[in-house]
Amino acid sequence: DTEVTQTPKHLVMGMTNKKSLKCEQHMGHRAMYWYKQKAKKPPELMFVYSYEKLSINESVPSRFSPECPNSSLLNLHLHALQPEDSALYLCASSQPWGRVIYEQYFGPGTRLTVT
Amino acid sequence: AQKVTQAQTEISVVEKEDVTLDCVYETRDTTYYLFWYKQPPSGELVFLIRRNSFDEQNEISGRYSWNFQKSTSSFNFTITASQVVDSAVYFCALSGGRETSGSRLTFGEGTQLTVNP
Repeated sequence: DTEVTQTPKHLVMGMTNKKSLKCEQHMGHRAMYWYKQKAKKPPELMFVYSYEKLSINESVPSRFSPECPNSSLLNLHLHALQPEDSALYLCASSQPWGRVIYEQYFGPGTRLTVT
Repeated sequence: AQKVTQAQTEISVVEKEDVTLDCVYETRDTTYYLFWYKQPPSGELVFLIRRNSFDEQNEISGRYSWNFQKSTSSFNFTITASQVVDSAVYFCALSGGRETSGSRLTFGEGTQLTVNP
């Protein structure tokens, strides 16, 4: 049973729309991640939050805007996307890294289609 | 730079066969972590195992076993008596042991395993 939930499961949006993806984790983790995955490819890291602060932005275009309102929630705001942004968007969480690196737990993903 | 190579793009076996998925990694970190994830058609990545670079003990969990060999930079995954439910894409991943690299997972390209009845 996954303890990382994502909504919506599927999303179709036009290039002028604004939408948000939501992620929630119930494991008490303090690090959260957004990944983008294209078909038949591994996930690509987009953003990392540690203790609710953005610690990594992998040069993601500004049409993607992350937000971490509290330690359990992670949002990804979408605006003026392009068709090539169509992908599976995965959220993950983990214990924050330190002396030990912990595994990341992934949500089921949001399948995004941009028309 | 870190790199993970999964040379097998696709593997097809018949149920009850044993199958080994290969993973070779490159890193300059002296401390690092290796992972295996399973991604069934539903899309969610399921964590299977984490192995630290200073612990070369092999691990067995039910029908799953992992062989970690630092001498060959390999972390191979074997499924014994495969089942149809094992059909999925399997990713090997690597993370560094330092704060700057610890948050980044470097994934291999994945191996699509199909288990036929």
